Amino acid sequence: DIQMTQSPSSVSASVGDRVSITCRASQGISSWLAWYQQKPGKAPKLLIYAASRLQSGVPSRFSGSGSGTDFTLTISSLQPEDFATYYCQQGNRFPLTFGQGTRLEIK
Amino acid sequence: QLQLQESGPGLVKPSETLSLTCTVSGGSISSSTYYWGWIRQAPGKGLEWIGTIYYLGSTYYNPSLRSRVTISVDTSKNQFSLKLSSVTAADTAMYHCARVAATTGYYHMDVWGKGTTVTVSS
Repeated sequence: DIQMTQSPSSVSASVGDRVSITCRASQGISSWLAWYQQKPGKAPKLLIYAASRLQSGVPSRFSGSGSGTDFTLTISSLQPEDFATYYCQQGNRFPLTFGQGTRLEIK
Repeated sequence: QLQLQESGPGLVKPSETLSLTCTVSGGSISSSTYYWGWIRQAPGKGLEWIGTIYYLGSTYYNPSLRSRVTISVDTSKNQFSLKLSSVTAADTAMYHCARVAATTGYYHMDVWGKGTTVTVSS
């Protein structure tokens, strides 16, 4: 199985800050990485797929980069509604696997 | 607009079989470009992929659950289902169904159901 490791596990930031979350795959997955946002009690929401493609309807302050084993999700200017938990997921091969999550908290 | 809705018992006894159904509305389950999947999340934990099915019936399962999982599809009802046998307390979780976008062998979940909570307890 491909293991996905996110860092940090949690981060505190303020509205307007720029924040980056990283995800590392245990083996190369080309650009087959997705990012999800999950708020408490809600289903995950797809933000980014194929490492850098913005899902329709997702604000442009979200961006993704990387290929191979190292990936980054960046939020350019945090908004109040962005405080949530973020997960990466490799889609290169079955079994599909997720990172452990990064909790983004208000400072 | 495509919507997915999970249904099934919220309480299952240990050693019994968990059975859930996902009803797809606003689109056809018989699409050549999508698969359909189940993902779960134990309380306070991360996301765990359970398995995925194509409308023609091919399935892919998480190796950690493969011996206990069966996913099936009913195209006439636009539904797909999950069965997990011999459940224990460790199977207590929120269970989500999702549409799995598949592009040249790459998979991600682009539409999710709200989820249903399943508790395993006697």
